[in-house]
Amino acid sequence: ELKVEQNPLFLSMQEGKNYTIYCNYSTTSDRLYWYRQDPGKSLESLFVLLSNGAVKQEGRLMASLDTKARLSTLHITAAVHDLSATYFCAVDSQDMRFGAGTRLTVKP
Amino acid sequence: DAGVIQSPRHEVTEMGQEVTLRCKPISGHNSLFWYRQTMMRGLELLIYFNNNVPIDDSGMPEDRFSAKMPNASFSTLKIQPSEPRDSAVYFCASSLPLGLAGVKETQYFGPGTRLLVL
Repeated sequence: ELKVEQNPLFLSMQEGKNYTIYCNYSTTSDRLYWYRQDPGKSLESLFVLLSNGAVKQEGRLMASLDTKARLSTLHITAAVHDLSATYFCAVDSQDMRFGAGTRLTVKP
Repeated sequence: DAGVIQSPRHEVTEMGQEVTLRCKPISGHNSLFWYRQTMMRGLELLIYFNNNVPIDDSGMPEDRFSAKMPNASFSTLKIQPSEPRDSAVYFCASSLPLGLAGVKETQYFGPGTRLLVL
């Protein structure tokens, strides 16, 4: 059974700092997705990573995928308050499975 | 584009009642997904369709749950009879058609239906 683990589950950081969210998964897959969810809202697609070594960047967020290590990272550069949200990774390996989410709070 | 449309946005019902959730995918999207989100279990994929055909319903929790997609622009998720443990936010998402080997494209989520079963 596919398992997807994110860490940390909760992250409180100051504006201007850098941090990385990790997403590990248990079975072979080369398709990984990152989503953002604001409180009480729906999910918004951030990145789709479709091959080993894929790296995508949008603003202060950069996602990468290492299929051999079964690991994806979401790196936050110089965090700002607007990035406060819950971030989910999801892995597609026949079964689509989401991680538990990382609740990010960026404080001034 | 209006995005994925779900109705109702909120539903409060009593245990034992039938609940029907509705979804209109983005025009041109041939894949449709139903998810459930709870604090305890997180986000769970219940079922997904490609070209109106159910591809994988292994996530449907029980026979009380059923989903249909009679045409490309409409899908329903029905719970009959409903139970308090069904209380959750139900999301519908749509995407472009599944690619080679069933690769799923980026999914666009609807606003969700918040269901409370008393």
